[in-house]
Amino acid sequence: DGGITQSPKYLFRKEGQNVTLSCEQNLNHDAMYWYRQDPGQGLRLIYYSQIVNDFQKGDIAEGYSVSREKKESFPLTVTSAQKNPTAFYLCASSFVQGRNGRNQPQHFGDGTRLSIL
Amino acid sequence: GEDVEQSLFLSVREGDSSVINCTYTDSSSTYLYWYKQEPGAGLQLLTYIFSNMDMKQDQRLTVLLNKKDKHLSLRIADTQTGDSAIYFCAEILNRDDKIIFGKGTRLHILP
Repeated sequence: DGGITQSPKYLFRKEGQNVTLSCEQNLNHDAMYWYRQDPGQGLRLIYYSQIVNDFQKGDIAEGYSVSREKKESFPLTVTSAQKNPTAFYLCASSFVQGRNGRNQPQHFGDGTRLSIL
Repeated sequence: GEDVEQSLFLSVREGDSSVINCTYTDSSSTYLYWYKQEPGAGLQLLTYIFSNMDMKQDQRLTVLLNKKDKHLSLRIADTQTGDSAIYFCAEILNRDDKIIFGKGTRLHILP
């Protein structure tokens, strides 16, 4: 079955530590996204990538880094510079189609909940 | 600025209809979406409507779009306990294809 897989489901970070969240998709989607969700808040875009080896900052990129070496994979690293990392992290992907590269609906993984030890 | 607004909570009795409302700001939005999020899970795409449509129906779901007022609604007929979730409205901005999400409406089902 096609889908988006995020791992781990739960992750704990010690102070000063970098942690990496995995996101893999087998939907053959071009674009991938990382969002952060805090209680009572909407989704805030961290980073996105529309093609392999290219990515752009979203609204809250500080303290995070990404890579896109393969079409299927878009890992997110939460660095020690992110002082408030406790949140629910959602990965999404979509096709990019049409002459204008217009994005199609985004499909989401089941999320990773990150907490500080 | 860009914003999508929704009320935060809605309580509905089982079997009644639920109507979740949303207002958006970009009059040139191409697509408007409704997503459902169950506890501890990601967002599931429920339905979407293209901006040149007024209404879209899909089984128990009806989406109504009022472009003049920039108002979108999702009606769930015969609300069931499995409909208990957070519902997000989202728009795609025409100028850069950026997707903007509302803060979500938590639907609570009363017995």
